[in-house]
Amino acid sequence: DTAVSQTPKYLVTQMGNDKSIKCEQNLGHDTMYWYKQDSKKFLKIMFSYNNKELIINETVPNRFSPKSPDKAHLNLHINSLELGDSAVYFCASSQGSSGVYEQYFGPGTRLTVT
Amino acid sequence: AQSVTQPDIHITVSEGASLELRCNYSYGATPYLFWYVQSPGQGLQLLLKYFSGDTLVQGIKGFEAEFKRSQSSFNLRKPSVHWSDAAEYFCAVRGAAGNKLTFGGGTRVLVKP
Repeated sequence: DTAVSQTPKYLVTQMGNDKSIKCEQNLGHDTMYWYKQDSKKFLKIMFSYNNKELIINETVPNRFSPKSPDKAHLNLHINSLELGDSAVYFCASSQGSSGVYEQYFGPGTRLTVT
Repeated sequence: AQSVTQPDIHITVSEGASLELRCNYSYGATPYLFWYVQSPGQGLQLLLKYFSGDTLVQGIKGFEAEFKRSQSSFNLRKPSVHWSDAAEYFCAVRGAAGNKLTFGGGTRVLVKP
């Protein structure tokens, strides 16, 4: 009965490749997020979707493209991977988009670009 | 722009001793404040949150935090730590209307036997 799940858990790939990370939540939430945690543990939001609509798009290279096929899924596709993309990517979801709603985090996907 | 500062990168504490983690925030209006814990190799788990009302909030695992508006602080405390409390702790802030959660840099807690 996992609340927010991500696949894969680990991803090792070479520079220049294209890869996707998938996220699914079974909480019935309307809002989903992608965060990036760098090697120094610093966490920063990348994107947020509410009812499949993009509502937050931070300063992220356009090689990163989120896709939300439905409210329960938010995938992250990365083109032309670079060394600096190595990080842990966390998906999260919340019941709504306002500040009162707690965000529930997935276990993370550790991406290593060689 | 909202921001969060956690001044202590690492803290080492003996098992059974008390713990206090500092958090200072910057936000133009009433903030919503959160503490999350990240165990090694795991995702983030919410420990507690402050929206309004009583400035001392209780959370899970015996943690509490106190909101002090005059000091722009939201420090996390635990009276007696357990070895299982060794983890990374993150303070975060967001506004009432927005859903952008801004995190501090984290504090790594090491627990000595």
